[in-house]
Amino acid sequence: DAGVIQSPRHEVTEMGQEVTLRCKPISGHDYLFWYRQTMMRGLELLIYFNNNVPIDDSGMPEDRFSAKMPNASFSTLKIQPSEPRDSAVYFCASSTKFSPRTGHSTDTQYFGPGTRLTVL
Amino acid sequence: RKEVEQDPGPFNVPEGATVAFNCTYSNSASQSFFWYRQDCRKEPKLLMSVYSSGNEDGRFTAQLNRASQYISLLIRDSKLSDSATYLCVVNMRDSNYQLIWGAGTKLIIKP
Repeated sequence: DAGVIQSPRHEVTEMGQEVTLRCKPISGHDYLFWYRQTMMRGLELLIYFNNNVPIDDSGMPEDRFSAKMPNASFSTLKIQPSEPRDSAVYFCASSTKFSPRTGHSTDTQYFGPGTRLTVL
Repeated sequence: RKEVEQDPGPFNVPEGATVAFNCTYSNSASQSFFWYRQDCRKEPKLLMSVYSSGNEDGRFTAQLNRASQYISLLIRDSKLSDSATYLCVVNMRDSNYQLIWGAGTKLIIKP
């Protein structure tokens, strides 16, 4: 099975530019998470969706950040305008509360490979 | 006090040794607990869920102590490939998610 797919894998941009990160969750997963990881702050949950609906966006740093999930197989995280302090690795993860494979509840999150963003 | 705390390490351990580290959490209402492993420049991957009764998977044992509010991870007969950062994560809710991640403990296994 394909895992979580993220694109691009690397992004280098200049301050002030718009950045769009993309994520395709695992098919059948009804939760999607966006994380940011830096050396200073570790792994931070930015926002998560359930059935394409944003549930908790309290981790979104400011209005420059926005996330959408137009359908069950696609999500975007947009930064506009970007700033050097946004440089980080951005991970997308997906999960489901119920595993049809095992028949048990599960909270396992499956992470994508991440997008390494550098804002100059 | 952070909601989830881990000793950042690094723990430098000789191959074959046993190593253990803890993760403390501040909210007694926390519902579920997990250990994830993250290799350098890679994504986190689930290592183990932590159940109230504790659980074991090969060389790895995870335990939960609700009274003292910590979870632990024990690695026996450590291998070079165990070198990684180990992240604990706590979910505050049962029906949904309120996830708090620890900063991770770095483990280095030396030959």
